[in-house]
Amino acid sequence: GENVEQHPSTLSVQEGDSAVIKCTYSDSASNYFPWYKQELGKGPQLIIDIRSNVGEKKDQRIAVTLNKTAKHFSLHITETQPEDSAVYFCAAPPSGSARQLTFGSGTQLTVLP
Amino acid sequence: EAGVAQSPRYKIIEKRQSVAFWCNPISGHATLYWYQQILGQGPKLLIQFQNNGVVDDSQLPKDRFSAERLKGVDSTLKIQPAKLEDSAVYLCASSSNIGVSGNEQFFGPGTRLTVL
Repeated sequence: GENVEQHPSTLSVQEGDSAVIKCTYSDSASNYFPWYKQELGKGPQLIIDIRSNVGEKKDQRIAVTLNKTAKHFSLHITETQPEDSAVYFCAAPPSGSARQLTFGSGTQLTVLP
Repeated sequence: EAGVAQSPRYKIIEKRQSVAFWCNPISGHATLYWYQQILGQGPKLLIQFQNNGVVDDSQLPKDRFSAERLKGVDSTLKIQPAKLEDSAVYLCASSSNIGVSGNEQFFGPGTRLTVL
């Protein structure tokens, strides 16, 4: 099955700085890589995703990059704001799965005002 | 559109008792998932339904956990008897499986279970 490793587990940045979270995956057949944000007391919410036919995708202040050769993908948040503070999860589908996801262990991002 | 609904939001039980969680997915979503999220970890899939059929329950501890989605809409997850290690947040998610965006899983707020 798919093994997804995520780091760092905690990340503190000053408001306005950038934050980068990295994930590696094991299954070279994986072709869909979403990032979820989970606020306290809520379920995870999709913030951006990327498919294996592109190397980068941007949506305002967030971007995701994918390196299929190295089997890693990263989340980039620029101009961080206090409301970006949350736990972020990367995920990847196990090979042969019917629309399933294996999640990373999460990164607690704290944006300091 | 209304999101995924779950109830109860919180539940505290003694070990060896039973408990049930309820989920109502987004209208029209064919696929429903139950996840277990232990504190400080990512969600772990327990069971996946497609309409009213089970797609994958390989990670469901079947000696104590059961789940059903009889009419292909609502679903219930039951634990009987509960153990201390079952303390976690139980998340329900659904997806449409339609088009490119059909992979997106929409999560409910979860049920926080504490087993004493």
